[in-house]
Amino acid sequence: EAQVTQNPRYLITVTGKKLTVTCSQNMNHEYMSWYRQDPGLGLRQIYYSMNVEVTDKGDVPEGYKVSRKEKRNFPLILESPSPNQTSLYFCASSPTVPANYGYTFGSGTRLTVV
Amino acid sequence: GEDVEQSLFLSVREGDSSVINCTYTDSSSTYLYWYKQEPGAGLQLLTYIFSNMDMKQDQRLTVLLNKKDKHLSLRIADTQTGDSAIYFCAFRSGGYQKVTFGTGTKLQVIP
Repeated sequence: EAQVTQNPRYLITVTGKKLTVTCSQNMNHEYMSWYRQDPGLGLRQIYYSMNVEVTDKGDVPEGYKVSRKEKRNFPLILESPSPNQTSLYFCASSPTVPANYGYTFGSGTRLTVV
Repeated sequence: GEDVEQSLFLSVREGDSSVINCTYTDSSSTYLYWYKQEPGAGLQLLTYIFSNMDMKQDQRLTVLLNKKDKHLSLRIADTQTGDSAIYFCAFRSGGYQKVTFGTGTKLQVIP
């Protein structure tokens, strides 16, 4: 089944403890992106990648890192999480630059930083 | 950057039509999308329209685009309880490597 898989689905962590949210797609998509969803703010783009080893900042990149060493994987790294990074995170992919035909989204990761 | 506005909430009775509205600021938007997010799930692409179109119909869904007023709407005919979800409009602007999403409208369908 064609899909975008995120792990974990839920995560509670403490301020300052480094964490990684994984994202993997099995569709050979070139383009991948991370979004965060907050009430009243919709989805805001954190980082995106147009292909292996090509990444760029979105609208809210502060406090996040990404890497794209392989086409299928696009992990999101929080080096020193803070409470304002408590949010619902989505990974998305598309065959090429997004998509005349839209993204495929993962199921989301709900992160709580205490 | 792109500003995209949606009303936060809409309540309709089962069997009625729902109309979800979206306004945007960037006139260079080339592809316009509607996504649906069910509880606990990711976003799912419902339909899309190119900026050179005024209307697109897909079964119970009708998308209307008013480029002059920068207004996009999604009409759901014969709304069912399974249509209860959050609906996001989204835009891709020509030459930009990203899609900008609206704030989302929560549709509640009353049986």
